[in-house]
Amino acid sequence: SSELTQDPAVSVALGQTVRITCQGDSLRSYYASWYQQKPGQAPVLVIYGKNNRPSGIPDRFSGSSSGNTASLTITGAQAEDEADYYCNSRDSSGNHKVFGGGTKLTVL
Amino acid sequence: QVQLQESGPGLVKPSGTLSLTCVVSGGSISSSNWWSWVRQPPGKGLEWIGEIYHSGSTNYNPSLKSRVTISVDKSKNQLSLNLSSVTAADTAVYYCARWYWQIAATGTMEDWFDPWGQGTLVTVSS
Repeated sequence: SSELTQDPAVSVALGQTVRITCQGDSLRSYYASWYQQKPGQAPVLVIYGKNNRPSGIPDRFSGSSSGNTASLTITGAQAEDEADYYCNSRDSSGNHKVFGGGTKLTVL
Repeated sequence: QVQLQESGPGLVKPSGTLSLTCVVSGGSISSSNWWSWVRQPPGKGLEWIGEIYHSGSTNYNPSLKSRVTISVDKSKNQLSLNLSSVTAADTAVYYCARWYWQIAATGTMEDWFDPWGQGTLVTVSS
């Protein structure tokens, strides 16, 4: 089992706002990074650090963190946002990387 | 911009050794980054396998440490993965990725994986 916990599935109506969460003790000390993965494709970085978006990532994607929980928020979800989302940070030792189990986002 | 490309056998026999290579283009593997391997079994999530720095320093997932070796060849600008004693549970798409970090204005480290290679499927079967 992963040291980062994500809800397996979340759904959102088109144009509405959705929050995907990631819980883990290491998140009290380290930021999470977030990845979007569509079927048959490699993961793509969407959020890193406190709340940074790589070039080319729409500004409807944002990140936040509080205590042991990191969140990825999509404001005004689009059909093309339907994908699996993974958080990443450290394990409890801080020495190794670990991914959350992933959240499948469905846009209704 | 840095690009990564994995390659290697798509089929490995049980109890054998899985060997993959990741070529780095558009940048030097000797830059101040760590280079990782990540895998994804069919229909499942991402699993970090381990990482290497150009100096040869490595960190491995504790659950795989006894079977994993990651190495770097600076002359070829590539990293390699060896996973021994494989079973069907090692069947997965294997990705290489650059792990990048920086210190934010707040003094906290920010880190992320980018870019990723396209991935290569390795099936363990007789």
